[in-house]
Formats: sequence, C-alpha cells, structure tokens
Amino acid sequence: AAGVIQSPRHLIKEKRETATLKCYPIPRHDTVYWYQQGPGQDPQFLISFYEKMQSDKGSIPDRFSAQQFSDYHSELNMSSLELGDSALYFCASSTWTGMNGYTFGSGTRLTVV
Amino acid sequence: AQSVSQHNHHVILSEAASLELGCNYSYGGTVNLFWYVQYPGQHLQLLLKYFSGDPLVKGIKGFEAEFIKSKFSFNLRKPSVQWSDTAEYFCAVSLTGGFKTIFGAGTRLFVKA
Repeated sequence: AAGVIQSPRHLIKEKRETATLKCYPIPRHDTVYWYQQGPGQDPQFLISFYEKMQSDKGSIPDRFSAQQFSDYHSELNMSSLELGDSALYFCASSTWTGMNGYTFGSGTRLTVV
Repeated sequence: AQSVSQHNHHVILSEAASLELGCNYSYGGTVNLFWYVQYPGQHLQLLLKYFSGDPLVKGIKGFEAEFIKSKFSFNLRKPSVQWSDTAEYFCAVSLTGGFKTIFGAGTRLFVKA
C-alpha cells in the first residue's frame, strides 16, 4: 500500500542555511501535518494544512513556513537554520476528519552543523 | 489546554510478562484516542484507535486498550509481551473534527529475552 513519502531522508545543513522538506501524502488524504521530534523527545506538532489552506498551527518558529500544493503535497521551508533545529521532522496525512488515524512518513532527519 | 499524560517513561519487562501502559488526557469534549508505536529507527505506526462504541479496542500485534471516560484514561495492555515489542509507545488524543493530535511524552518499553 502507498505510504506517506518524505524527502529527503537525511539532510545536513550549516547554520544560517535554508532547508526545504517535502511530504507526499497517501492518495485521497487531503490533510497534512508536520511534526518535529528532537532527540529523546516526543513529536511536537508544527503546522497542518487542509485543502491547501493552513488549518492549525503549533509550535512552528517564525523562521519556518510551509504550504500545501494542488496535488496535496506539502513543503516545509526552514530558513536561518540553528543548531537546535536538528531533529527528525515527521509528516503525516489523513482525511480531514482524522477518522483513519494519521499515517506518518518515515521522517527527514535534519542535522544542522 | 489539552494534554496527554503517560505514567511511565521507561518500562522493563521479561518476555511473557503482562503489560499495561497508562495514559490519561485532559479535555472535556469528545476525543479520538490513539496508541502509536515507534520501533527503533522507524516511523510511528498506529497500534489501535478509539472513536466510539465498545470502549475495549483491539489492535494489531495482540495489543488492546480500554477507554474509561470517567477516568479520562486510555490504557494500553498486552497479556504477554515479546522481545520484539521493545519500542517506544505514544498515546495520542485528537479532538473530534480537529486537525491536531496531541501526543504523550512516550513510554520506552524494553523486553528482556
């Protein structure tokens, strides 16, 4: 079965650089969520989109932005990277009611050096 | 504010022992409840979920959970654990019709062979 696809799997950036993470949801899922999981921490919700509109916002820094495109894939843009941004970034998708739970991608591991 | 509390951060069991992981949430409205598992190096996977109906929910790999509304609890159980159950387990709550899932801090389970 198709899963949530995230790219890249791993990314290494230097401080103050910019990174773009991509998430491709399961077919027919119209809602995308982004989570950040620091080392040894539980996932923290960043932002979500439904039908290309931002639907909820969590603890996303102002240096980050995201959008959802017409094919429902989403991109998380991260600027002025800091060492503390090093984490695993999960994307999840669902239908808007969330009735099928959330299907997570395998994550992008971002390392800022 | 809504929150999810998992009682134990670390649990160590021997194979064939019974497992119960506690989860309590704070929210007065209608919620959807989930348990996720994260095996080492892998993304979060859905174990089971509760939306309505029978408060005893059966999931994959022999796991079950019981929703006790009066106690705002959704404890995860397994009668006999295996070494392969070594993983981190997350309880999660989403508000019905909402776009955000709130995760507990996770419980790391280590099963000794």
